[in-house]
Amino acid sequence: QKEVEQDPGPLSVPEGAIVSLNCTYSNSAFQYFMWYRQYSRKGPELLMYTYSSGNKEDGRFTAQVDKSSKYISLFIRDSQPSDSATYLCAMSSTYNNNDMRFGAGTRLTVKP
Amino acid sequence: GAGVSQSPRYKVAKRGQDVALRCDPISGHVSLFWYQQALGQGPEFLTYFQNEAQLDKSGLPSDRFFAERPEGSVSTLKIQRTQQEDSAVYLCASSSAGLDFGPGTRLLVL
Repeated sequence: QKEVEQDPGPLSVPEGAIVSLNCTYSNSAFQYFMWYRQYSRKGPELLMYTYSSGNKEDGRFTAQVDKSSKYISLFIRDSQPSDSATYLCAMSSTYNNNDMRFGAGTRLTVKP
Repeated sequence: GAGVSQSPRYKVAKRGQDVALRCDPISGHVSLFWYQQALGQGPEFLTYFQNEAQLDKSGLPSDRFFAERPEGSVSTLKIQRTQQEDSAVYLCASSSAGLDFGPGTRLLVL
């Protein structure tokens, strides 16, 4: 079993839909949780960064962390075609990220 | 400011050939990471530097893989005697909060 599990999709939604992306993990030492967006043939770019449990909102994006269930989510409101990309969850137990582990990524397509 | 840069962006190698991949991190970032990303997969950790010190190389898949960062800035990932299974995107990242990734080097071994 991988340390971080993420459904690879693909996921296709109409423009304006709410998108829910999720990951589960097994290592209870993880404390820092991130979501990255990766466009085709590009490196991952950091979208959301959260510490411990709770919610964090940034524009149309909301990240949720439930450490008791070892479950994290990313919600995208009013999805746009430009949101079409692969979304990677990542997590680490240390601030310097030297044990960061990634999910496999969920490929999202938002259709106009 | 300038982000993480990597070169070359694409590399085609014949099986058995040695390759060297370069990473220029964000200026002032102490931590530098190398990841390998296979098609349709998330990045897999290879190695980690703090300044010039290689603190963790547990992810390097074999002794054909070697990384260095001699002056604590630019890093090079070298793969000797490349094999077809080495074909992947090699990502470099330097660290602030989260990781700042470069665009990657896409390696194809024929």
